[in-house]
Amino acid sequence: GNSVTQMEGPVTLSEEAFLTINCTYTATGYPSLFWYVQYPGEGLQLLLKATKADDKGSNKGFEATYRKETTSFHLEKGSVQVSDSAVYFCALSDENSGYSTLTFGKGTMLLVSP
Amino acid sequence: GAGVSQSPSNKVTEKGKDVELRCDPISGHTALYWYRQSLGQGLEFLIYFQGNSAPDKSGLPSDRFSAERTGGSVSTLTIQRTQQEDSAVYLCASSLLGGNQPQHFGDGTRLSIL
Repeated sequence: GNSVTQMEGPVTLSEEAFLTINCTYTATGYPSLFWYVQYPGEGLQLLLKATKADDKGSNKGFEATYRKETTSFHLEKGSVQVSDSAVYFCALSDENSGYSTLTFGKGTMLLVSP
Repeated sequence: GAGVSQSPSNKVTEKGKDVELRCDPISGHTALYWYRQSLGQGLEFLIYFQGNSAPDKSGLPSDRFSAERTGGSVSTLTIQRTQQEDSAVYLCASSLLGGNQPQHFGDGTRLSIL
């Protein structure tokens, strides 16, 4: 079956540091890939997505590139802020007859200190 | 416009009681999903609705779990004879129809079974 593997956290960084959160996946077919973010006490928010190989999703300074050859979708940001502290989930869509069940990684907590 | 709304935000109940969790999706979203987020298992898919029908119930963990949706809008997830292992955050998401449509999540219901 499909699966998503993320680096374990917490990832602890100082403000303005460079961020990478690794994500690799196993899937049949050609899934779409997503990063969701969960701030404390809130639900999941879509951060960015990519629907085919070599697509780059980007939002709020975050980027991730769909790499089919390495089955990866690593999340990067050049300069993190304290407000980026949250849990980040990598996910893939398991497309079935017109709908997409999401398969999630276990989440990576990011802690950014001033 | 309003996002996905879930109620209650927190629910504490005794083992063996029944509970109902409610989800109000974004207006016009035909697709509705329930997920469960627990410490040990991460985020797991439970059930998918297309309109009022549920073509995919493959994630429901036991026959104590059921869900319905009425008027193509509000959905209720019911857990009968609750067990301690049911303690988790239950998340609802909605989207437009289509395989790669992004899912929009509510803030979840935190369920605690004493």
